[in-house]
Amino acid sequence: QSVLTQPPSMSGTPGQRVTISCSGSSSNIGTNYVDWYRLLPGTAPKLILHRNIHRTSVAPDRFSGSKSGSSASLAISGLRPDDEADYYCAAWDDSLSAVVFGGGTKLTVL
Amino acid sequence: EVQLVESGGGLVQPGGSLRLSCAASGLGLTIFSMNWVRLAPGRGLEWIAYIRETSTTTYYADSVKGRFTVSRDNAKNLLFLQMNSLRDEDTAIYYCARDHVAGSPRPNYYGMDIWGQGTTVIVSS
Repeated sequence: QSVLTQPPSMSGTPGQRVTISCSGSSSNIGTNYVDWYRLLPGTAPKLILHRNIHRTSVAPDRFSGSKSGSSASLAISGLRPDDEADYYCAAWDDSLSAVVFGGGTKLTVL
Repeated sequence: EVQLVESGGGLVQPGGSLRLSCAASGLGLTIFSMNWVRLAPGRGLEWIAYIRETSTTTYYADSVKGRFTVSRDNAKNLLFLQMNSLRDEDTAIYYCARDHVAGSPRPNYYGMDIWGQGTTVIVSS
């Protein structure tokens, strides 16, 4: 059971916009920054968004982040087949003194 | 280009020990805090340990507290994870990962931007 809650799976068709949610609490997302990672089979995780909204060089501008209260989201517009991956949110949790991850969302491009 | 390379994984019996290493090249780790994160079969990413650049502060996930110890040797650009009293549920790919922003002690956390390729630990009798 993950501290941050994400939908286990989502799907979309090429060109669509999908939004992956990440729900936490006042001790993590409500107080601290959220980051997002992409995980492909057999490869190391890649940081795609940090400090809620800032993209890294790995993420094209089709990727955007937002945060409101104790929830955050990752939006991917103009969905492409190579966006298919597992996506994880993470944040520091003040109560646990730990980085906590969401359970991950498997994104399928139909 | 900064690269992290883990080593030391393998097959170990329950109750056994392993020591993982993470070697950095391309840029010294001296000014960055470091982390260990694992990915278990059928489960998601789990952060397990943090060590500040000065080694003065460490944090652990509850699942490994008291069994795992993180340490570093800045002079040799090495990070370590000593794993004792291993359990079946510790079976996973173990990654070392660098804090995205240097000199950002917890609770300041801005993500982990450089990851190694991972080393596999299998705990089984």
